[in-house]
Amino acid sequence: GENVEQHPSTLSVQEGDSAVIKCTYSDSASNYFPWYKQELGKGPQLIIDIRSNVGEKKDQRIAVTLNKTAKHFSLHITETQPEDSAVYFCAASRDSGGSNYKLTFGKGTLLTVNP
Amino acid sequence: DAGITQSPRHKVTETGTPVTLRCHQTENHRYMYWYRQDPGHGLRLIHYSYGVKDTDKGEVSDGYSVSRSKTEDFLLTLESATSSQTSVYFCAIATSGTNEQFFGPGTRLTVL
Repeated sequence: GENVEQHPSTLSVQEGDSAVIKCTYSDSASNYFPWYKQELGKGPQLIIDIRSNVGEKKDQRIAVTLNKTAKHFSLHITETQPEDSAVYFCAASRDSGGSNYKLTFGKGTLLTVNP
Repeated sequence: DAGITQSPRHKVTETGTPVTLRCHQTENHRYMYWYRQDPGHGLRLIHYSYGVKDTDKGEVSDGYSVSRSKTEDFLLTLESATSSQTSVYFCAIATSGTNEQFFGPGTRLTVL
């Protein structure tokens, strides 16, 4: 089955700096890679995703890059703000109904943005 | 929030008692999932459903069963709760054709 590794497990940055979280996956057939943000006491929230037909996707201050050859993808947050502080999860999936859209998650990164 | 509710939101129970958690959705999504979240383990899939009465096991299904008798409800049952099942349980739905998953608010379960 799929295995997703996520690094680092904790990340502390100063407000305004950039943050990068990296994930690797094992199943070369995976082609859908979402990122989730989880605030304390809440459920994970989908913030951005990328499919294997593109190498990069951007949405305001967040971006995701994908290297299918190396089987890794990354989340980039620029101009970090205190409200970006949360746990972030990456995940991987085969993009087909045959997989029943099951996601395999990384273990999460606790991001702290210091004012 | 994709119209997902979970009940109860918090529960404390004793070892050996049965427990049922409910996930309810209002948008008629075909795919539903139950995850547990534990420190150091991230989110792990317990069971999932791909239609009414159609369910299958995830990676950590031992000790759990599920049922889906109607589209909107997906029930997770711990037949005889153990302390190792103390966790936060999340339900999720997937929008058909996109595999984007959206999560409910979670249920915190403590087994004493």
